[in-house]
Amino acid sequence: AQSVTQLDSQVPVFEEAPVELRCNYSSSVSVYLFWYVQYPNQGLQLLLKYLSGSTLVKGINGFEAEFNKSQTSFHLRKPSVHISDTAEYFCAVSIYNQGGKLIFGQGTELSVKP
Amino acid sequence: KAGVTQTPRYLIKTRGQQVTLSCSPISGHRSVSWYQQTPGQGLQFLFEYFSETQRNKGNFPGRFSGRQFSNSRSEMNVSTLELGDSALYLCASQPGTKDTQYFGPGTRLTVL
Repeated sequence: AQSVTQLDSQVPVFEEAPVELRCNYSSSVSVYLFWYVQYPNQGLQLLLKYLSGSTLVKGINGFEAEFNKSQTSFHLRKPSVHISDTAEYFCAVSIYNQGGKLIFGQGTELSVKP
Repeated sequence: KAGVTQTPRYLIKTRGQQVTLSCSPISGHRSVSWYQQTPGQGLQFLFEYFSETQRNKGNFPGRFSGRQFSNSRSEMNVSTLELGDSALYLCASQPGTKDTQYFGPGTRLTVL
């Protein structure tokens, strides 16, 4: 079975500081990896995804993530955060070639303070 | 293109009632998935439909059911509602079976 662990439930950070949100996964088969963001009272918006190829993936809003197969990690980073980045961030996996079932981590609440 | 739309956005029901939620996918998308989001359990997969057939199913009781129509629109139904069914129900669509899922805004269901 597959599982996703987001290592921090809350991450407070000051504006313009760098941030890393950590995600580890467990799977015996190949997976696709995703990061989604959820703003209050909204659905999920895709930030970035790793399907194959380069292990460094760039997404929207200045976010990037690095796939590390040996450590089964997919950490999300941003070099300088803004107040508007305050939201909940979800890491997710789907099983290669098995359609639309996403398995999510518990989420990390990013709080950017002025 | 218009995004994924879900109706209604908010719903209040009482225990024992049943409810139907609707999801219209992005035009051209043939796969629709449903998720339940609660503070305690997080985001959990309910089921996925592709071309009117259920392809994947999560670990939910039989009170939760769904269907997909020929135009790819999908509905999910919850019968005999329980307090624990209070949640945000999210629908997501994707073009095929190996693509990115795009989420709707969700339906907030409150069971009293």
